[in-house]
Amino acid sequence: SAVISQKPSRDICQRGTSLTIQCQVDSQVTMMFWYRQQPGQSLTLIATANQGSEATYESGFVIDKFPISRPNLTFSTLTVSNMSPEDSSIYLCSVEPLSVAFFGQGTRLTVV
Amino acid sequence: DAKTTQPPSMDCAEGRAANLPCNHSTISGNEYVYWYRQIHSQGPQYIIHGLKNNETNEMASLIITEDRKSSTLILPHATLRDTAVYYCIVRISGANSKLTFGKGITLSVRP
Repeated sequence: SAVISQKPSRDICQRGTSLTIQCQVDSQVTMMFWYRQQPGQSLTLIATANQGSEATYESGFVIDKFPISRPNLTFSTLTVSNMSPEDSSIYLCSVEPLSVAFFGQGTRLTVV
Repeated sequence: DAKTTQPPSMDCAEGRAANLPCNHSTISGNEYVYWYRQIHSQGPQYIIHGLKNNETNEMASLIITEDRKSSTLILPHATLRDTAVYYCIVRISGANSKLTFGKGITLSVRP
């Protein structure tokens, strides 16, 4: 298993600003995953973050809007840039040791 | 990855077995069936997965039909804390396989 800590757990932000979400894992993992869950919707994969290389983004998500850092094998950050109310969602970090996914508790973001 | 279809919702009485169905008629031979659940305002939680044999752990049982086109997640004695959205996902096991969430089935356990 894996224990994931996400910070912050929630935030209310002004439109046009940026928020950086941190994800810390209790063990070293090759890949870390970032998901978005819009209100009332299911989870959508934003990007996959590998240590030592650029993140791989899914269709509809771009690096300028969601820059990701992966400085080591236990930590990653996702930044939501130039926020608008449409970015109000839960953002979740995930890892998959041995092909089973474990998730953080998520960051509930409200943009006003 | 193959797609899955689940009913949007179901309910069951506390203490009774909850049987959650999932159809995955286009599943490939090397794709596993995974179940996760998401309790309100929490991150998804892994429940169980299997390839073709039935599986059981401390949380649930997974019954996969012989043709692998459908499966059932069984919570043997549902409690109020089992009220959640349950996601059935099929995927290849391995680092390069994406985990794609559908809408899931909302299970409501009533007292």
